[in-house]
Amino acid sequence: AQTVTQSQPEMSVQEAETVTLSCTYDTSESNYYLFWYKQPPSRQMILVIRQEAYKQQNATENRFSVNFQKAAKSFSLKISDSQLGDTAMYFCAFMTFTGTASKLTFGTGTRLQVTL
Amino acid sequence: GAVVSQHPSWVICKSGTSVKIECRSLDFQATTMFWYRQFPKQSLMLMATSNEGSKATYEQGVEKDKFLINHASLTLSTLTVTSAHPEDSSFYICSARWTGGQETQYFGPGTRLLVL
Repeated sequence: AQTVTQSQPEMSVQEAETVTLSCTYDTSESNYYLFWYKQPPSRQMILVIRQEAYKQQNATENRFSVNFQKAAKSFSLKISDSQLGDTAMYFCAFMTFTGTASKLTFGTGTRLQVTL
Repeated sequence: GAVVSQHPSWVICKSGTSVKIECRSLDFQATTMFWYRQFPKQSLMLMATSNEGSKATYEQGVEKDKFLINHASLTLSTLTVTSAHPEDSSFYICSARWTGGQETQYFGPGTRLLVL
């Protein structure tokens, strides 16, 4: 079975500080993509960052970056210079493929609160 | 990123009635769309994969006669909850598969269903 584990149900960080959200996954597939999505109180799922498993270089999107450790099956998200608008639920997910079909598997989420 | 819309954003209905939810990809064509269900403070659970021009693929435990899916065009998928009951009350989210370069799923804003 393919699983995604987010071991931190809740986290808090002060504005302008840096926070890291952890994620581990388990799959026997060799071709997959990894994602972080955020879900603010509006409940709209927003793509934060993606990583192809075959790429060694860690993905970066402005203040968001990942630490992808393929051998350890770890995919953590670092948020630098945290802003109040970063307050949201963060879901780690990976996408696997069966033929031409794809499927996303989500973790249980980490609720991040950014405080003044 | 690509835009996916959902309509309605919320709906209240009486037990026994049917409710249709629309999911549209506004600025790209999506041969594949996905329907998820999310209970309060929980992760997204994939219900089914909607394929344009063919039958949907349902996840184990999801009743296909209860949750009818139609994907009649490259930009529209619909989910009909038939003979809705209070236990069907939930937050339903659709996503559309983006294959234009970087494989990704973009999500709609969700539909909150309350069955009385």
